[in-house]
Amino acid sequence: AIRMTQSPSSLSASTGDRVTITCRASQGISSYLAWYQQKPGKAPKLLIYAASTLQSGVPSRFSGSGSGTDFTLTISCLQSEDFATYYCQQYYSYPYSFGQGTKLEIK
Amino acid sequence: EVQLVESGGGLVQPGRSLRLSCAASGFTFDDFVMHWVRQAPGKGLEWVSGISWNSGSTGYADSVKGRFTISRDNAKNSLYLQMNSLRAEDTALYYCAKDRGRSISSGQDYWGQGTLVTVSS
Repeated sequence: AIRMTQSPSSLSASTGDRVTITCRASQGISSYLAWYQQKPGKAPKLLIYAASTLQSGVPSRFSGSGSGTDFTLTISCLQSEDFATYYCQQYYSYPYSFGQGTKLEIK
Repeated sequence: EVQLVESGGGLVQPGRSLRLSCAASGFTFDDFVMHWVRQAPGKGLEWVSGISWNSGSTGYADSVKGRFTISRDNAKNSLYLQMNSLRAEDTALYYCAKDRGRSISSGQDYWGQGTLVTVSS
């Protein structure tokens, strides 16, 4: 099974900051990677698929990059509504797997 | 409007069975891969199982393989998860999720609100 490792596990930042979250796969997954945002008590929301394609309706301050084993999610100018937990997920092969999550908190 | 409504959760004793259902509406159900994803209390997301549009391809997490079975009824726009030999570590909120893709996945773009399964004696 492919293991997904995110870093950092938690991150403190301020509104207006640029933040980057990384995700590493234990083996190559091409660009079969998605990023999700989850707020407390809510279902996850798809932000990016195919490593870098923005899901419809997602603000352009979110961007993704990478291929193979190393990926990043960048939020260019943090807004108050962006404080949440972020997960990467590989869908290259079954069983699919999520990273452990990165909790983005207000500094 | 896409809607996914899970049901069937509840309190169950270890070793017993439970069947979850997900009623889908607002999209052409048999055009998409569907998934179950769970989240234990206070923990991260865990992908559980997925099924292609025609049930021709299924996948399972190692933690549930041999105990859980995913299925779908396209005529009823419904997704199911049969859970047998339940363990305490299966306690979680179970989400039904629609994929962007038909035969291969492309990210899960719609999610239900989840149904809670508690395994305890």
